[in-house]
Amino acid sequence: EPEVTQTPSHQVTQMGQEVILRCVPISNHLYFYWYRQILGQKVEFLVSFYNNEISEKSEIFDDQFSVERPDGSNFTLKIRSTKLEDSAMYFCASRGTQGPSKYFGPGTRLTVT
Amino acid sequence: RKEVEQDPGPFNVPEGATVAFNCTYSNSASQSFFWYRQDCRKEPKLLMSVYSSGNEDGRFTAQLNRASQYISLLIRDSKLSDSATYLCVVNTGFQKLVFGTGTRLLVSP
Repeated sequence: EPEVTQTPSHQVTQMGQEVILRCVPISNHLYFYWYRQILGQKVEFLVSFYNNEISEKSEIFDDQFSVERPDGSNFTLKIRSTKLEDSAMYFCASRGTQGPSKYFGPGTRLTVT
Repeated sequence: RKEVEQDPGPFNVPEGATVAFNCTYSNSASQSFFWYRQDCRKEPKLLMSVYSSGNEDGRFTAQLNRASQYISLLIRDSKLSDSATYLCVVNTGFQKLVFGTGTRLLVSP
């Protein structure tokens, strides 16, 4: 079974610092996503990315957030100046040309202190 | 009104029991419907898609009622390994999936 991978599994950072969360989507997938889940809350959509550009983003995804596909395999989420409320589990997902985001990565737990 | 609404539970059932979860969604333009399973501090995993005609996958049966904007999941012969949170998920046709808060299931021996 193909899988999405994410690194690191846990990141601790201080408020105001920049963080980059990394994801390697499944190799032949074309659509990439970031979701987040604050502890005890629901999974929330952040952004979708297709053909090297953002195709949709939520109101959570403000100017502090950016995404990039720097090469043919990685997909990154950058938070420029982290806030305490950014503490959450961040999931990357990818899909092929059809179907929902079936494949979620294991997540990166971000803790902002 | 929440986009996707679920009873958070927990549902405590003995092994072998049948348990049903329900979910309602607010956007009548929603096009695709799914049940995901999430174990504690893990990623969501697709359990099954949900179709208007109803569909079954082993012990799991899902139903969709578009008129009532209602989705259900039935689990028969519950196993200990079914203990998890079950997420009702809707796709409105845009890129994103909209998740419910999940229903927690605890199956005991």
